[in-house]
Amino acid sequence: DIQMTQSPPSLSASLGDKVTITCQASQNINKYIAWYQQKPGKAPRLLIRYTSTLESGTPSRFSGSGSGRDYSFSISNVESEDIASYYCLQYVNLHTFGAGTKLELK
Amino acid sequence: EVKLQQSGDELVRPGASVKMSCKASGYTFTDYAMHWVKQSPGQGLEWIGTIIPLIDTTSYNQKFKGKATLTADKSSNTAYMELSRLTSEDSAVYYCARGSRGLPFAYWGQGTLVTVSS
Repeated sequence: DIQMTQSPPSLSASLGDKVTITCQASQNINKYIAWYQQKPGKAPRLLIRYTSTLESGTPSRFSGSGSGRDYSFSISNVESEDIASYYCLQYVNLHTFGAGTKLELK
Repeated sequence: EVKLQQSGDELVRPGASVKMSCKASGYTFTDYAMHWVKQSPGQGLEWIGTIIPLIDTTSYNQKFKGKATLTADKSSNTAYMELSRLTSEDSAVYYCARGSRGLPFAYWGQGTLVTVSS
């Protein structure tokens, strides 16, 4: 099974900051990584698929990059509505989520 | 509009079983696989399994084999998940999700909270 190591577990940011979350896969996942946002009491929302493709409705301040085993997700100019938990997902071989990153306001 | 409407929250006794539903609308039910995901309180997300309604084929995360049983009713566009021999470890929110263009979890239901307690 492919494992996804996501870091950091939590992140504190001020409005307008840039933040970055990373996910490392236990093996090459050929860019088959997606990123989700989840707010309390809500289902996850798909933001980015296939490493860097933004879903319709995803603001351009969100971005993703990476290859092989190492991937990152960034939010530039953090806004209050971005306060949430974020998860990566590999979908090249079955499906494995990262443990999540909780983004809080400093 | 794709919509996945899940059944209501459940309070169940330890050792019992629970069956929850996910009614799909806004697309052809047999065109897409349906996936199920577990989220334990304050925890992350785990894929439980997948059913392909067109051919009634299932695949499971090894961890949930024997715990979860996935079925689908094509006549009512509804997917089901039954969890058996419940313990406190099964208390969680369970989501159904549908894929899109090769990605498994593009559309999500609102979740069903299962609480296992005597």
